[in-house]
Amino acid sequence: TQLLKQSPQFLSIQEGENLTVYCNSSSVFSSLQWYRQEPGEGPVLLVTVVTGGEVKKLKRLTFQFGDARKDSSLHITAAQPGDTGLYLCAGVMTTDSWGKLQFGAGTQVVVTP
Amino acid sequence: NAGVTQTPKFRILKIGQSMTLQCTQDMNHNYMYWYRQDPGMGLKLIYYSVGAGITDKGEVPNGYNVSRSTTEDFPLRLELAAPSQTSVYFCASSSPFIEDRDRMGYTFGSGTRLTVV
Repeated sequence: TQLLKQSPQFLSIQEGENLTVYCNSSSVFSSLQWYRQEPGEGPVLLVTVVTGGEVKKLKRLTFQFGDARKDSSLHITAAQPGDTGLYLCAGVMTTDSWGKLQFGAGTQVVVTP
Repeated sequence: NAGVTQTPKFRILKIGQSMTLQCTQDMNHNYMYWYRQDPGMGLKLIYYSVGAGITDKGEVPNGYNVSRSTTEDFPLRLELAAPSQTSVYFCASSSPFIEDRDRMGYTFGSGTRLTVV
């Protein structure tokens, strides 16, 4: 059972378009992280959000943590081919004393020139 | 700055064979983890450790064992390999003492792709 549900599973867009990836749960998280993974490599941390309602920007990427800390979204503006990758959300549940991350299944994003 | 190093990168095992996946980190992180990643399933936690000599089971520990004798190393042992253990394995580390929350996440190795035939 996946505690964090990501949608869509796959997204294919043209360069210059915008996209949004969603990460939803019925559980409350003390923090939520987004990672990007490229083929043959491990995931790489993009951002950590900890406060409900928080919005964080990283160049063309905007991350939002839901007010109730149960969901998050990643928005990419004017996508470029270099944004291609598997995007994973991961959260630490408030009930976890060791801070272990629960991962979503990922959203595969393909940006074509 | 090596980060997390995993070896080997690829391995093919026959059913019933055993092997150890190596993982070492040079960031002095207390916490280390082993995950497996299967297509469309995300990452599932196998075992984790919060310090030398302290390990605990994750979500999918059956068929695996770990040890943590030093802060740097966290090997994963597969006994009696089965086809269901065909997967990509990732080791990761983190520290609970990092105050800069933009660096609070996990650092992953580049993975070991294991096929059991």
